Amino acid sequence: DAKTTQPNSMESNEEEPVHLPCNHSTISGTDYIHWYRQLPSQGPEYVIHGLTSNVNNRMASLAIAEDRKSSTLILHRATLRDAAVYYCIPERTGANNLFFGTGTRLTVIP
Amino acid sequence: DAGITQSPRHKVTETGTPVTLRCHQTENHRYMYWYRQDPGHGLRLIHYSYGVKDTDKGEVSDGYSVSRSKTEDFLLTLESATSSQTSVYFCAIRTTGAITDTQYFGPGTRLTVL
Repeated sequence: DAKTTQPNSMESNEEEPVHLPCNHSTISGTDYIHWYRQLPSQGPEYVIHGLTSNVNNRMASLAIAEDRKSSTLILHRATLRDAAVYYCIPERTGANNLFFGTGTRLTVIP
Repeated sequence: DAGITQSPRHKVTETGTPVTLRCHQTENHRYMYWYRQDPGHGLRLIHYSYGVKDTDKGEVSDGYSVSRSKTEDFLLTLESATSSQTSVYFCAIRTTGAITDTQYFGPGTRLTVL
């Protein structure tokens, strides 16, 4: 099992970059790292995933450490709408579902 | 939003009464899930389904049953609701990608058991 550690909360000023860290030191070599976020009063939504290389999409970038024991979700320019709980979820080999921890609550300050 | 709806969106019931929550999808996804979310616990899996009439337990399945008689509907039943089942319930589907899979969640059902 890949145990995950994320800070409970972080703050960012609006329009500044945000780096959300995650440690997953026991992840296996072939399991992907997923990031989801949950806006207030909504269900979680997919953000991004990656295996070894850094990944970019329209929402965010994912930087994965070379040893894969940690990753960082990067929001290049935080907006008020990015205020949410962000979950780092390493896959578990053979599992059919996602294992959510308590995530990082991001507060964006205007 | 992957065409997922949940009903009802809010429900208040009394201890000991049966409750059924419905999850409906419009895109014929094979996998469907029920999670509950409580303060301090993130989301925890209750049951999931991998096809019509094929279901399996998650980590917090006690007190819950599920049924899937057709692809589009996944029902969660609390046979005799208890106050500890007061929670927000999320349904999800899983899409299968070429590399890995992604889950999409419904809007949630807030259940209060008095």
